[in-house]
Amino acid sequence: RKEVEQDPGPFNVPEGATVAFNCTYSNSASQSFFWYRQDCRKEPKLLMSVYSSGNEDGRFTAQLNRASQYISLLIRDSKLSDSATYLCVGGNQFYFGTGTSLTVIP
Amino acid sequence: NAGVTQTPKFRILKIGQSMTLQCTQDMNHNYMYWYRQDPGMGLKLIYYSVGAGITDKGEVPNGYNVSRSTTEDFPLRLELAAPSQTSVYFCAIRRDLGPLEAFFGQGTRLTVV
Repeated sequence: RKEVEQDPGPFNVPEGATVAFNCTYSNSASQSFFWYRQDCRKEPKLLMSVYSSGNEDGRFTAQLNRASQYISLLIRDSKLSDSATYLCVGGNQFYFGTGTSLTVIP
Repeated sequence: NAGVTQTPKFRILKIGQSMTLQCTQDMNHNYMYWYRQDPGMGLKLIYYSVGAGITDKGEVPNGYNVSRSTTEDFPLRLELAAPSQTSVYFCAIRRDLGPLEAFFGQGTRLTVV
């Protein structure tokens, strides 16, 4: 089983929609989790860290469920500029999920 | 403060040739990583290092070698290039204490023909 698994999508949503991505992880000892955003042919950039208590940054909310071993990212009021690939990552070895492609449609 | 610098940005290799992808950081972070990303796929961990003199295999180490003689440098070596190694290679760094997010270099696009 892979360390981090993610639904690759693609997700195609209209502007203004709410969309959620999930990742599951296999190593219960993993401590740190993050969501990264990757634009086409560019390096991944940190979107937000994921804290046990959940955290919010504007339209983005990240949550960690240790009992079920998954992390989630919620994007509210989607913008065209949110179109990208979203990658979850966790574990001491910093394993990435496969990424979820999001396209926001006008 | 350049952060993470990868060279070269692009390279075309012939089958069987060898090359070294360079990764240098100026942030004094102990953790360094090499990933490859095939078209339309996620990042796969090749090798990582938790400090100078210490390296370990990731998910896809076959066909690659690394060394970490200094904190700043973490070169990735391809000894006998194969078409399956055509990919984009990213180097990343991370602290071992405090904010643990990783910072990436801009990548090296390698084509093996």
